Amino acid sequence: GEDVEQSLFLSVREGDSSVINCTYTDSSSTYLYWYKQEPGAGLQLLTYIFSNMDMKQDQRLTVLLNKKDKHLSLRIADTQTGDSAIYFCAESGGSYIPTFGRGTSLIVHP
Amino acid sequence: GAVVSQHPSRVICKSGTSVKIECRSLDFQATTMFWYRQFPKQSLMLMATSNEGSKATYEQGVEKDKFLINHASLTLSTLTVTSAHPEDSSFYICSARDPGDYGYTFGSGTRLTVV
Repeated sequence: GEDVEQSLFLSVREGDSSVINCTYTDSSSTYLYWYKQEPGAGLQLLTYIFSNMDMKQDQRLTVLLNKKDKHLSLRIADTQTGDSAIYFCAESGGSYIPTFGRGTSLIVHP
Repeated sequence: GAVVSQHPSRVICKSGTSVKIECRSLDFQATTMFWYRQFPKQSLMLMATSNEGSKATYEQGVEKDKFLINHASLTLSTLTVTSAHPEDSSFYICSARDPGDYGYTFGSGTRLTVV
């Protein structure tokens, strides 16, 4: 199976919270990332979390890590139409070279 | 934060011609840069690792004679798609890491269309 897995689509209403989930297999992962890709653009690093952390909050973004279950989630509070994009989960070891999931397309409805 | 500049953003070329894509780290030096290819609705596929001053390392299944990589300075890597064909049409993205950062910074990507 894939090293990093995430659901392909998520649809939410504007103003609601979005939760994007990701699972990974490498127990030696040191860093876990969330990247955002808007149409026709490169990837933007949204946030990252060290493997020895459980949670990280940055404004509207909350990252939760369950290392035992190798589960990572990204919560976007008060989701806006501008948040519509593809969100990639990624993990890396000490080299920082990321292994990506296939990306979750977030669609925000007015 | 770190910035990686990629040019051109879009290019259309005729079948059989070659196209060069540039990737520059603007405010940091990068001994290693990465080149990815992204198909529609799919994740990024790592093509090769570009190493400053030495040969690039290609992933399995990537033709090194088709995708020429040159990393002649600490701030510039180029990817040349040689004798391009319509199946080479894709979105190509480069990335590099500022040694002071924990994650990689990506260029804005190049949409290559071969007609």
